[in-house]
Amino acid sequence: DTAVSQTPKYLVTQMGNDKSIKCEQNLGHDTMYWYKQDSKKFLKIMFSYNNKELIINETVPNRFSPKSPDKAHLNLHINSLELGDSAVYFCASSQGGDTIYFGEGSWLTVV
Amino acid sequence: AQSVTQLGSHVSVSEGALVLLRCNYSSSVPPYLFWYVQYPNQGLQLLLKYTSAATLVKGINGFEAEFKKSETSFHLTKPSAHMSDAAEYFCAVSPWAGNQFYFGTGTSLTVIP
Repeated sequence: DTAVSQTPKYLVTQMGNDKSIKCEQNLGHDTMYWYKQDSKKFLKIMFSYNNKELIINETVPNRFSPKSPDKAHLNLHINSLELGDSAVYFCASSQGGDTIYFGEGSWLTVV
Repeated sequence: AQSVTQLGSHVSVSEGALVLLRCNYSSSVPPYLFWYVQYPNQGLQLLLKYTSAATLVKGINGFEAEFKKSETSFHLTKPSAHMSDAAEYFCAVSPWAGNQFYFGTGTSLTVIP
């Protein structure tokens, strides 16, 4: 079983569209994250949830809205997609500070 | 505040040569330290981690790293590079009592045949 799974893996969409990326973890972790990786491979934290509560909300446009229906799921919804949103989005989970586990990534291309 | 510095965004080594990827951290509390590897078009995988046990940590694929508190370093080494080691490597730190992770900017390793 995949520990952290996210779908879709590849997503090509037009500017202005709305899209969602889903994430699920089966590790029993309390904390889940969304990271954005740009073309230079920099990893930037976007959001972090602990037991469904938002604990980290970095400077991210309001068009990005995370939703955590339960502690095993953290979805990312993006409104009005822009060219600059093209990136790889990684979901991750951890139990405290001991090891963060990543999903395989979602490659988003906005055209 | 926590931060991680990886010296050298690109490192090239010959196949069979020593691999040395540098990582320095700043932390106001005892940290956990990690190295992750990212192969092309894949997610990040844990290579090894330091969690206040032995200062020399062995990981997967023949990699190891040494925690040096006096130098605030956690450099990654492998005695003999293999072509399959070509990837992006990330150093990360987290305060042991928290759930925030701080990543370096990554080092791209190229292995020359």
